[in-house]
Amino acid sequence: DADVTQTPRNRITKTGKRIMLECSQTKGHDRMYWYRQDPGLGLRLIYYSFDVKDINKGEISDGYSVSRQAQAKFSLSLESAIPNQTALYFCATSDSTGLGTDTQYFGPGTRLTVL
Amino acid sequence: GDSVTQMEGPVTLSEEAFLTINCTYTATGYPSLFWYVQYPGEGLQLLLKATKADDKGSNKGFEATYRKETTSFHLEKGSVQVSDSAVYFCALISGGYNKLIFGAGTRLAVHP
Repeated sequence: DADVTQTPRNRITKTGKRIMLECSQTKGHDRMYWYRQDPGLGLRLIYYSFDVKDINKGEISDGYSVSRQAQAKFSLSLESAIPNQTALYFCATSDSTGLGTDTQYFGPGTRLTVL
Repeated sequence: GDSVTQMEGPVTLSEEAFLTINCTYTATGYPSLFWYVQYPGEGLQLLLKATKADDKGSNKGFEATYRKETTSFHLEKGSVQVSDSAVYFCALISGGYNKLIFGAGTRLAVHP
């Protein structure tokens, strides 16, 4: 079984709809991240969480919100989806040695299309 | 701010050719450097990393050396295979917050 899972894997929605992307992990890591991937831009950080009570904005948090329901679960919400949020979204986890060298483990991604 | 620049793709090679994907970075302090690989339809996975100057990361025949004097971390492989076809991302972490900063990615296509 995959260590980091994301649901749904694909989603098509309409402008103005609320949508939630979910991420679960079985690695026992404290740190979780949400990224979006756009062609030619690499991955950009949306939000990150270092534990259940610690949530922080990344470089492109506008239009998104998150919820850390438990150590293993981290959800990303689009309150009112717009077409330029069409992208591939990845969840990732890492351990917390604090050394700045920790490997991040990525889920398989959610392809979101906003019409 | 911190940033990563990598060569634009796509890179198209024949099987057994030599591969170089260039990566340079800008960062304050002493970042850790990473190469991640994304196979078609999958998430990213760590390929190799180096945490201090002159360190060489290696895995699956790929190598990259942390060059502080040229702020570079170029990825190399002596003989590529069709199965190496993927998108390769150079990335860095600067500071203790474990936030990865990615380059734009380089697509590699290897033909038989």
